[in-house]
Amino acid sequence: GAVVSQHPSWVICKSGTSVKIECRSLDFQATTMFWYRQFPKQSLMLMATSNEGSKATYEQGVEKDKFLINHASLTLSTLTVTSAHPEDSSFYICSVGSRANTEAFFGQGTRLTVV
Amino acid sequence: GDSVTQMEGPVTLSEEAFLTINCTYTATGYPSLFWYVQYPGEGLQLLLKATKADDKGSNKGFEATYRKETTSFHLEKGSVQVSDSAVYFCALSVSNTGNQFYFGTGTSLTVIP
Repeated sequence: GAVVSQHPSWVICKSGTSVKIECRSLDFQATTMFWYRQFPKQSLMLMATSNEGSKATYEQGVEKDKFLINHASLTLSTLTVTSAHPEDSSFYICSVGSRANTEAFFGQGTRLTVV
Repeated sequence: GDSVTQMEGPVTLSEEAFLTINCTYTATGYPSLFWYVQYPGEGLQLLLKATKADDKGSNKGFEATYRKETTSFHLEKGSVQVSDSAVYFCALSVSNTGNQFYFGTGTSLTVIP
């Protein structure tokens, strides 16, 4: 299966600063990547679909100006949390699809804590 | 719309007990069904999957059968181990959504010696 690397694994930042999370598909050219967010003891909720070479598609209720997504190449998508606040503290995880389009491969996730 | 309803936890079992975690789904198309496992502090790992009705996915002693008539994909294991302690997510994917996944709320399993 595809190998997905997400960086950093965890980050602590001050309120008001911005944080960039990288998601790399190491052995698979991904035209589409997905970003999810998981709050404590809750399920993963899709935030946005990252499309290579075009704008991301955001789910309802997700602020596109706050969660900036860039998918500049077939192997890299980035999620930038701008002007982070404590309520943005969460576990962020990305995924890419398989060639057979029946399985997703997930990064290790990034635990963001905003203080 | 597409969705997954999963048995809520937490579930606590003694080692070697039988495990069932219920999962039902709603889908407009023909979904593939998955169980993912998340160990503490880690990301999601695929446990097993089934891509069409009556398929049985199995891995590490876990099994789940794709039941179209009951729209279910219940996870079972005959004898759990302490190392099975984790959070289990049922999920579906419909191919025409380009690999977007819909997850259940997750069930936390703790196996005690």
